[in-house]
Amino acid sequence: DAKTTQPNSMESNEEEPVHLPCNHSTISGTDYIHWYRQLPSQGPEYVIHGLTSNVNNRMASLAIAEDRKSSTLILHRATLRDAAVYYCIISYNNNDMRFGAGTRLTVKP
Amino acid sequence: GAVVSQHPSRVICKSGTSVKIECRSLDFQATTMFWYRQFPKQSLMLMATSNEGSKATYEQGVEKDKFLINHASLTLSTLTVTSAHPEDSSFYICSATPGLAHETQYFGPGTRLLVL
Repeated sequence: DAKTTQPNSMESNEEEPVHLPCNHSTISGTDYIHWYRQLPSQGPEYVIHGLTSNVNNRMASLAIAEDRKSSTLILHRATLRDAAVYYCIISYNNNDMRFGAGTRLTVKP
Repeated sequence: GAVVSQHPSRVICKSGTSVKIECRSLDFQATTMFWYRQFPKQSLMLMATSNEGSKATYEQGVEKDKFLINHASLTLSTLTVTSAHPEDSSFYICSATPGLAHETQYFGPGTRLLVL
């Protein structure tokens, strides 16, 4: 699997947008980009995934660089409930997902 | 979205006993299920991958005789920690996928195991 690099932590103010970056320079042409988040003492929760085009769903948006070597998860209006560890994972067939350290997002009221 | 449940949510046992954790896909058939372990302040570590009706594939360093995995049906996988010791205390998380190409994985809520 392609390795990912994410900042260890980020802070945001409540109701402001948050951009969570992920670098995956060794991604191959058939790898998908997956984002999960994990709240304390819970299992990971699916957020979004994409291949080449930007993706939007009710939780977030995923912006994928043209060369696909990086991506950004966008939370349009952070809430206190969005405080979690966010994981960016590169996987071809989702049967082999390896979690890195992720980004711990703190949301300040 | 698809729901995956785990039972029990937490368990405390004495050293030397065996503990079974169940993972169920509630509204879809899971051709593949995964077991992860997470120690405090660390990320999830994949332990094994199991396909219904076949033997599990274990990650390097995971003892298959200690962590027995059974995936007897398309909606149920079990992880049995045999002869548990305090160092096995951890947060065990399962996930499941319908197996469609590029479909996402759905994670269970996790089981916290404490071995005394």
